[in-house]
Amino acid sequence: GAGVSQSPSNKVTEKGKDVELRCDPISGHTALYWYRQSLGQGLEFLIYFQGNSAPDKSGLPSDRFSAERTGGSVSTLTIQRTQQEDSAVYLCASSLEGAGANVLTFGAGSRLTVL
Amino acid sequence: SQQGEEDPQALSIQEGENATMNCSYKTSINNLQWYRQNSGRGLVHLILIRSNEREKHSGRLRVTLDTSKKSSSLLITASRAADTASYFCAPPANQAGTALIFGKGTTLSVSS
Repeated sequence: GAGVSQSPSNKVTEKGKDVELRCDPISGHTALYWYRQSLGQGLEFLIYFQGNSAPDKSGLPSDRFSAERTGGSVSTLTIQRTQQEDSAVYLCASSLEGAGANVLTFGAGSRLTVL
Repeated sequence: SQQGEEDPQALSIQEGENATMNCSYKTSINNLQWYRQNSGRGLVHLILIRSNEREKHSGRLRVTLDTSKKSSSLLITASRAADTASYFCAPPANQAGTALIFGKGTTLSVSS
């Protein structure tokens, strides 16, 4: 697609429910990133996929968080047993690696509210 | 991974004034990027400066890079209310194959 697409744009859920957030990167971009941003805060790195390499999961805050990237394209971030502190905007970005400098293109984000 | 640190955290100016934001980083780099974020949405890439460049311009934006001081600055000239946003610098990851890490950014408010 022309840009990075994220869905849903807004999600309200009850504490304890599972949620899935989807990211469709720019076609041909081999790198995909997930960040989250709590209100008034900076971006917190979550996970990074690059081609066929093992993902860098070092930013995932707990084992309730997981992500996968199928076929090197679409990625799903799953949060199990959501907590109120999971409320944030979840941002996905993709980039064309190997170009000397990985310029990221971001999606518009998925705003998650856990009640 | 390396993270840039922006300064100041917040900046308030009047339309027409210039805004200067600074970024410091820790290890040597071959390039540095600046991004902008409006109202908690996705970041937008503004400009990339390479280590062999000391200054780069794009419209009303001017970016400098001082590799000896490990610092960069973003200058927005003749600011407009529409420049109100958060601005982030991003040095490259210090290891190949690792993600860009962003700092807390500088929140710029331009009042008319």
